[in-house]
Amino acid sequence: AQSVTQPDIHITVSEGASLELRCNYSYGATPYLFWYVQSPGQGLQLLLKYFSGDTLVQGIKGFEAEFKRSQSSFNLRKPSVHWSDAAEYFCAVVILTGGGNKLTFGTGTQLKVEL
Amino acid sequence: EAEVAQSPRYKITEKSQAVAFWCDPISGHATLYWYRQILGQGPELLVQFQDESVVDDSQLPKDRFSAERLKGVDSTLKIQPAELGDSAMYLCASSLGLREVTQYFGPGTRLTVL
Repeated sequence: AQSVTQPDIHITVSEGASLELRCNYSYGATPYLFWYVQSPGQGLQLLLKYFSGDTLVQGIKGFEAEFKRSQSSFNLRKPSVHWSDAAEYFCAVVILTGGGNKLTFGTGTQLKVEL
Repeated sequence: EAEVAQSPRYKITEKSQAVAFWCDPISGHATLYWYRQILGQGPELLVQFQDESVVDDSQLPKDRFSAERLKGVDSTLKIQPAELGDSAMYLCASSLGLREVTQYFGPGTRLTVL
């Protein structure tokens, strides 16, 4: 069965430092990949997505992610973190099924930003 | 910008009581999803609708949970009776259609069962 692994439960970075959040997926074919962000007590906001084509995708809020098929990874990056980026980040994969599509999430990475 | 609406935002109830959550998807979105997110975990799909029809409810605990989307627009998720383990965030999402894989989420309903 398809799965998504986010190996880092918590990450702390200083404001202005660079950020990389790791995501690995398990799926036989090329998946549809997503990163969502969730602020405390809020719903999920779509940051970016990868379907095909250029393996480096740009998203909102200055985030980008790179799809690496050989490593089954889709890591999220930001060159300079802002205090407002503190939130929980979820990597997800969509698998098309006979009846529709199913979004499977990782367990999330909690980002803390030190001022 | 169009958004998914959910209400209430917070709900506190006692175990054995009935609770209901409402969701209004983005206008024109035919597919609607309900997810449950337990604290510290990622969301898990409970049920998926295409218009008024259920596409996937394999993870819905049908002994106590029910969901409907009678007119193919807004949807209600009900729990009866609520149990302590149902405390979680309930998220609604929508997409244009079954083959449109990008899902947009609402703000969620935080349920606390005492």
